[in-house]
Amino acid sequence: EPEVTQTPSHQVTQMGQEVILRCVPISNHLYFYWYRQILGQKVEFLVSFYNNEISEKSEIFDDQFSVERPDGSNFTLKIRSTKLEDSAMYFCASSEGVGLADTDTQYFGPGTRLTVL
Amino acid sequence: QQPVQSPQAVILREGEDAVINCSSSKALYSVHWYRQKHGEAPVFLMILLKGGEQKGHDKISASFNEKKQQSSLYLTASQLSYSGTYFCGISGANNAGNNRKLIWGLGTSLAVNP
Repeated sequence: EPEVTQTPSHQVTQMGQEVILRCVPISNHLYFYWYRQILGQKVEFLVSFYNNEISEKSEIFDDQFSVERPDGSNFTLKIRSTKLEDSAMYFCASSEGVGLADTDTQYFGPGTRLTVL
Repeated sequence: QQPVQSPQAVILREGEDAVINCSSSKALYSVHWYRQKHGEAPVFLMILLKGGEQKGHDKISASFNEKKQQSSLYLTASQLSYSGTYFCGISGANNAGNNRKLIWGLGTSLAVNP
């Protein structure tokens, strides 16, 4: 069964450093998403991406964040200058993107645990 | 706009039933249910649509109550594998547009003990 994959599974970085989190969405999916989950808390939407541009973003997704689809398979999230509060699990998701938004199932990858020291 | 889930936590013995509710103060068009086990990704369970039928998946089913702006997830004859945190996500989109983000509730922690 096709699945979303993410690398690395765990990333440790120093405050102020740049990190790039990588995702390979399901191959025929058109919509891609990044969510984050601070330990023990709810899942928070960061950004959605469609047709090579950002479709929607949350207030969390400020100028420190960027997303890119550098080739036909990868989808990346870059954090330019990490802060302590960026420590969280980051999930990538993808959906077919066909038809109504309400019926568009999002499938999640296993996540990347980001630890900022 | 965040949906409200209740209860916050449930502890069951294997074989018992549970109901988890997800309600919204704004108009609901669809509710997406996920289960997340500790340290893992959320796994999709089902989508409930406004005006849609009750859905089922094994012994887990859900309904959509338009009057109450609420969806309920029913877990019957619970198994140990049902343990985890259940999240509902709402889209409120009701369109074919580009706004497909899910807004998540805080989750309901379910523990099934032998």
